[in-house]
Amino acid sequence: KNEVEQSPQNLTAQEGEFITINCSYSVGISALHWLQQHPGGGIVSLFMLSSGKKKHGRLIATINIQEKHSSLHITASHPRDSAVYICAPSGGGADGLTFGKGTHLIIQP
Amino acid sequence: NAGVTQTPKFRVLKTGQSMTLLCAQDMNHEYMYWYRQDPGMGLRLIHYSVGEGTTAKGEVPDGYNVSRLKKQNFLLGLESAAPSQTSVYFCASSQPGLALPLAREQFFGPGTRLTVL
Repeated sequence: KNEVEQSPQNLTAQEGEFITINCSYSVGISALHWLQQHPGGGIVSLFMLSSGKKKHGRLIATINIQEKHSSLHITASHPRDSAVYICAPSGGGADGLTFGKGTHLIIQP
Repeated sequence: NAGVTQTPKFRVLKTGQSMTLLCAQDMNHEYMYWYRQDPGMGLRLIHYSVGEGTTAKGEVPDGYNVSRLKKQNFLLGLESAAPSQTSVYFCASSQPGLALPLAREQFFGPGTRLTVL
């Protein structure tokens, strides 16, 4: 079973700050997903990456497959970024994802 | 497109009652999943399906049954509900990739909050 560790568990920051959330996993994977869960409960997929780096707007995700580590960065953070961010490695098959417990991010104005 | 929808949104059951949660997707996805989310724990896979008429067990399948009679629908049944099944249930769907990784991003439904008394 893939053990997934996210850090920090909770993060409070001021608007405009650069945010980094880290994810480490124990078993080699084919891809890793980053998900966002809004305060209302809905879950949205942000990224799926298997190597290198991806960027969507102010969000950047990186992965180092050899080191079994991924990071999610948010530039120029905004209160609307407040959410739980979940890391989910995948072995690449159809049998779903293994999820971290999430990082609860609060951005204060 | 509605994406992934779940019915009902909320439900309260008494111990021993049965119910079925319905998940529907209009994206013609092959793969569908049922997860449960509990406080302090990550989402956990209950059952999944890789196509119409197929189902497979996930990490926490006990006490649940599933069916995928139509490609667009994935049903999760609780035959005799227990308080330990109090949780938020999420359905998700995805399409198989052409190469590794074999599955693409997952699209999630809004969740069903179930309380078993």
